[in-house]
Parts: sequence; C-alpha cells; structure tokens
Amino acid sequence: EVQLVESGGGLVQAGGSLRLSCAASGFMFRNYAMSWVRQSPGKGLEWVAVIGDDGTNIHYADSVEGRFTISRDNSKNTLYLQMNSLRAEDTAVYYCAKYRALGAARSFDFWGQGTLVTVSS
Amino acid sequence: DIQMTQSPSFVSASVGDRVTITCRASQDISSSLAWYQQKPGEAPKVLIYGTFSLQSGVPPRFSGGGSGTDFTLTISSLQPEDFATYYCQQADSFPLTFGGGTKVEI
Repeated sequence: EVQLVESGGGLVQAGGSLRLSCAASGFMFRNYAMSWVRQSPGKGLEWVAVIGDDGTNIHYADSVEGRFTISRDNSKNTLYLQMNSLRAEDTAVYYCAKYRALGAARSFDFWGQGTLVTVSS
Repeated sequence: DIQMTQSPSFVSASVGDRVTITCRASQDISSSLAWYQQKPGEAPKVLIYGTFSLQSGVPPRFSGGGSGTDFTLTISSLQPEDFATYYCQQADSFPLTFGGGTKVEI
C-alpha cells in the first residue's frame, strides 16, 4: 500500500524558514517523480514544485521560485521542501504527492494527508 | 501560464442526478487533463487522468471527456459519497495549474 507521510509543519514568523519532509513507502520511491501541492485555508489547490526520479528535472511555481527548494534522498525514501523567506501567503496545508509523469497520463496519483504551515506576520 | 476555469463553482444536486462539470483551458492542452475529488478534511484523490482514463478503484459512474481546451467530468448517477469538491488540473506544461474547484452539494 502506498503511503506518504508529511512532517515538519508548524507556526513560523514571516521571514523565517521551515523544512518539510515526506516519508514514502509501499512503492519504488526512486523510480517516480514527486511533487508538493498546497492548499490555503478554505481555498483551492496550488502546485508548488516537482522533482524527477533521480533528483533532476526540477520545476517550481513562480510564487515560490527562489525561496523554496525541493529535494529528495532516494536512500531514505524521503522527499523534502526547504522553505525560506516565508510570507503570510505561504500559510497552507502542504501535501506531498506522487507524480505520474507518463505523457498525457501525467497526474498526482497518490497524496499524503498534509502538514499545516502557518506563517505569522 | 495556462489558466484553468471550472464551471459552475457550485452545484446543488440530489442523489441519482446526472452531474456535469466543465473545465476550460486558456490554451490547447491536448488530452493532458486530470480530475480530483476532495472531501472536507481529506487529501485530494485522482479520479480521471489523460482526460478519459479512470483511476483504478474509481467507480464507473465517473467519466471524463473533451480535448484541446474544453473538458468535462460527468457523474452519471450521484451517490451520497460523491458530495465533495472537484478540481481539474492541466498537465501539459509547467507550471502545473488547477481549476478553482466545483463544490457538489445537496
């Protein structure tokens, strides 16, 4: 059974930093692209970043480019999101998602339960 | 960036109703379109990918259609567990973008 478990969320002041982790199990983590998607309270879904299976082929949303860094450790089956220079508008539940990167079938096929990041201004 | 526009934002429906949600892309995305269902307090779940393909385990009352810029998600006979918010998402190019969501309620 695929499981994605996020951790590292919490309350941080504006301008501060936080690192999220996502522990993966139940599939060959090293063979799949992974992504972060966030959802502000009461709002819709916003894609944040994606990383290829080997740690290359990285893309970011414009809203986080230059402030957030996605990375992975395939030996630990873990995905990370380093978030710096946090702003109030980064307040959201952050979901780790497995990204099915197969032509037109590209989609997020499994999601974690999410971790809440709250940035106080 | 490709903008995804869903309509309607809200649907009031009853059990057994046929419900269709529309998603329009600001440019041609071929068939690179996925649909997700999200219930309150839960993570989203993929229903449809590649415009038409049903995710394993998803009931066949859900179906997807369209191509280019106009896409649909249809629930053929609404069940109590289908009351949720639905999102479309384009996977044609980065940045990946979602529609604003459609809440299906009683």
